[in-house]
Parts: sequence; C-alpha cells; structure tokens
Amino acid sequence: EIVMTQSPATLSVSPGERATLSCRASQSVSGNLAWYQQKTGQAPRLLIYGASTRATGIPARFSGSGSGTEFTLTISSLQSEDFAVYYCQQYNNWITFGQGTRLEI
Amino acid sequence: EVQLLESGGGLGQPGGSLRLSCAASGFTFSSYAMNWVRQAPGKGLEWLSTISDSGASTYYADSVKGRFTISRDNSNNTLYLQMNSLRAEDTAVYYCAKNGWSKFDPWGQGTLVTVSS
Repeated sequence: EIVMTQSPATLSVSPGERATLSCRASQSVSGNLAWYQQKTGQAPRLLIYGASTRATGIPARFSGSGSGTEFTLTISSLQSEDFAVYYCQQYNNWITFGQGTRLEI
Repeated sequence: EVQLLESGGGLGQPGGSLRLSCAASGFTFSSYAMNWVRQAPGKGLEWLSTISDSGASTYYADSVKGRFTISRDNSNNTLYLQMNSLRAEDTAVYYCAKNGWSKFDPWGQGTLVTVSS
C-alpha cells in the first residue's frame, strides 16, 4: 500500500497570506495525485488532479505541483472561504489518501 | 448537473447488516466506474471499494473485504454497498464518488452509519 503523508497537520495563516501544503508518497505515484478541500459538514470537493490541473470552477489562486513522491498545494492569497481541511489522494496504485492538513486562521 | 445522493444510513447492530444506495443523475452512469469512501468521526478519508462501469470487476480495501459488497444497477443509475458483519469501527459517514482509478469527482453528500447496540 502506498502511504501518503501530509504536512503540516495544522497550518495557521492569515487571510491574504500564501499557504503551502505538502504531500509525500511512500513510493512514486508519477503524476497521479489529486487534492481535495473539505469544509466542516460537507463532502470533499476536487481541487486539483494530475498533480497540477485545476478542476472545473476552481479559482486560479489554487495551484498544484510535483511528481513522483513530492507534491505541493499552494493557495496564493487566502480567502476566508479557504479555511478547511485539505487531503491529497494518489490513484497510481489503488487509492490512498493522506491524513489531511487543517488550514486555520 | 452531475448529482449523487446517498441513502440507507442509520443505526446498525454489531454483527448486523445495512445496505447503502447512491442514486446518480446528470451523467451516463453506465460509462463510469464508481467508488465508496468513508470518514469516521473526526478522522480522514478511507477508500473502501471501486466497481467498474459494467459491474464486472470489483475491488476492496482490506478493512472491508469479505464483509462489504459493492454492486450497481445501470438500468436504474444506482450504486449499492451491502455491509455485513458490522463492527463499531464501521461507524462513519459513507460517500459515493464518481470515477474509478482516477480523481473522484463529484462526491455525494454522504450518509451516516452508526454501529452500536
């Protein structure tokens, strides 16, 4: 099983600041990596797939990068609605999720 | 608009059974693999199962293999999860999600399963 490790567990930032979230795979997943946003009481929403492609309707302030085992989700200028939990997911070899990063004020 | 609507959650007895449903609309259901994912209270996401577009192939996480069965009815655009031998640790919100070995998009709103005596 490919283990996905996200860091940090919690990230405290202010609106308008830049946030950088990391996701590491225990073995290469190539570019088969997605990021999801989950707000309290809601289902996850797809943000990024293929490591760097924004899903439909996702603002340009969200960007993804990386390949192989190291991936990053960057939110360039945080808006109030961006405070949520973010998960990475690999789909290169079965499916596994990271444990999540909580983005808080 | 693509929509997924889960139902069938509720209180289940330890050792008992529940069947979850996921009604799909807004896309050609029979053309897409489908998935079940769960989230225990306050925890992260756990992939459970995937079924191919035709239903001929199914895949399970070790945590549910032999206890849960995924199936689909393409004539009624519905995905199912039959859950047997329920355990307390199966308590979670259960989501269905579109697409197979790929990005999951979209997700249903989820249905809560509580296993308790």
